[in-house]
Amino acid sequence: TQLLEQSPQFLSIQEGENLTVYCNSSSVFSSLQWYRQEPGEGPVLLVTVVTGGEVKKLKRLTFQFGDARKDSSLHITAAQPGDTGLYLCAASLIAGGTSYGKLTFGQGTILTVHP
Amino acid sequence: GAGVSQSPSNKVTEKGKDVELRCDPISGHTALYWYRQSLGQGLEFLIYFQGNSAPDKSGLPSDRFSAERTGGSVSTLTIQRTQQEDSAVYLCASSLRGLAGYEQYFGPGTRLTVT
Repeated sequence: TQLLEQSPQFLSIQEGENLTVYCNSSSVFSSLQWYRQEPGEGPVLLVTVVTGGEVKKLKRLTFQFGDARKDSSLHITAAQPGDTGLYLCAASLIAGGTSYGKLTFGQGTILTVHP
Repeated sequence: GAGVSQSPSNKVTEKGKDVELRCDPISGHTALYWYRQSLGQGLEFLIYFQGNSAPDKSGLPSDRFSAERTGGSVSTLTIQRTQQEDSAVYLCASSLRGLAGYEQYFGPGTRLTVT
């Protein structure tokens, strides 16, 4: 059972276009993180969101956390070839009162930005 | 500053052999996590250590998998009698504390191929 649904799985766009990646669950998150992973490397944290309704910006990346803390989105404005990579959402789910650091990951979105 | 290191970076083994994968976390990080990344399953949690104890082993797929951590530092993941379905990238991560919201720093992974 995939607790985190991430979409789309693949995204191929031209430089300068905008894009949005979605991450949804029927469960409530205690916190949600977005990672970027390049081939041969481990995931690198981009942002952590904790509060429902929170919006965080990181240069051309905008992250939103849903009011009910069950969904999140990553929006990239004016994508660059350097944005190419695997984007992963990951959540610490609240289950039986436990909300420690164990992460549940979405399936990932492979983004390719063409020059 | 040293990040999380893992060894070996690549391991090819024959079906039925045992393998040991090593993780050196960031110094001072009390929490250590093992994850497995494969094409079909995405990134899956295996086990979590707090100090030398493993309060959550729920992600270990079978009793052929075991892990230990010594001195609150180095961890070893052992897979006995390897099977082809064990082929994957095994990622280790550490964080300052084992609580939701604390950043997990990932190593580059060990790519395991079982022939």
